[in-house]
Amino acid sequence: NAGVTQTPKFRILKIGQSMTLQCAQDMNHNYMYWYRQDPGMGLKLIYYSVGAGITDKGEVPNGYNVSRSTTEDFPLRLELAAPSQTSVYFCASSSRDVAYLGQPQHFGDGTRLSIL
Amino acid sequence: ILNVEQSPQSLHVQEGDSTNFTCSFPSSNFYALHWYRWETAKSPEALFVMTLNGDEKKKGRISATLNTKEGYSYLYIKGSQPEDSATYLCAFLNQGGKLIFGQGTELSVKP
Repeated sequence: NAGVTQTPKFRILKIGQSMTLQCAQDMNHNYMYWYRQDPGMGLKLIYYSVGAGITDKGEVPNGYNVSRSTTEDFPLRLELAAPSQTSVYFCASSSRDVAYLGQPQHFGDGTRLSIL
Repeated sequence: ILNVEQSPQSLHVQEGDSTNFTCSFPSSNFYALHWYRWETAKSPEALFVMTLNGDEKKKGRISATLNTKEGYSYLYIKGSQPEDSATYLCAFLNQGGKLIFGQGTELSVKP
């Protein structure tokens, strides 16, 4: 059971570099989310998607971009990495089916990103 | 702006103590309220998903209640154990699919 798979697990970037954090789920979930973990702040929503071709901003979208061309994949792109983007990033997915109301989110294992 | 607030921010209790935390959320556009348990260096683990006003859920020594009219949920832990030490997160799901987390309550249980 793969669930939600995030790659890479760790990455160090230089200021100004760009990269894409990958997220894939094999549960046919409609909803997918990107969060960042900030100390003492819990999880902050960056972007989310309610289906292929649809994305929307969360609480902290600046400096990030997303796309959702397939149901399975929801990559997060950092165009010009800044030290403030040093964080642990979590991808999550959930179902929009009839039984959806009782279903929690499924989380990936996280990507630890450091920008120096 | 969706505001989800949790209190207290941190809690230190002795083994055997019972404890509770609060999650406040918007009372409009409500769809569901989630509770997660989050240990350091791991992914959040789902505890409860609550959807109906007056819902009460229980899992072992942990239980939760929901009041959607006034916008709050309580999480209770009966007889805390050291293995209960973790950060407890609540998250508000609105009807548009947006899931916003609170900042969490960090629980430390001393033997």
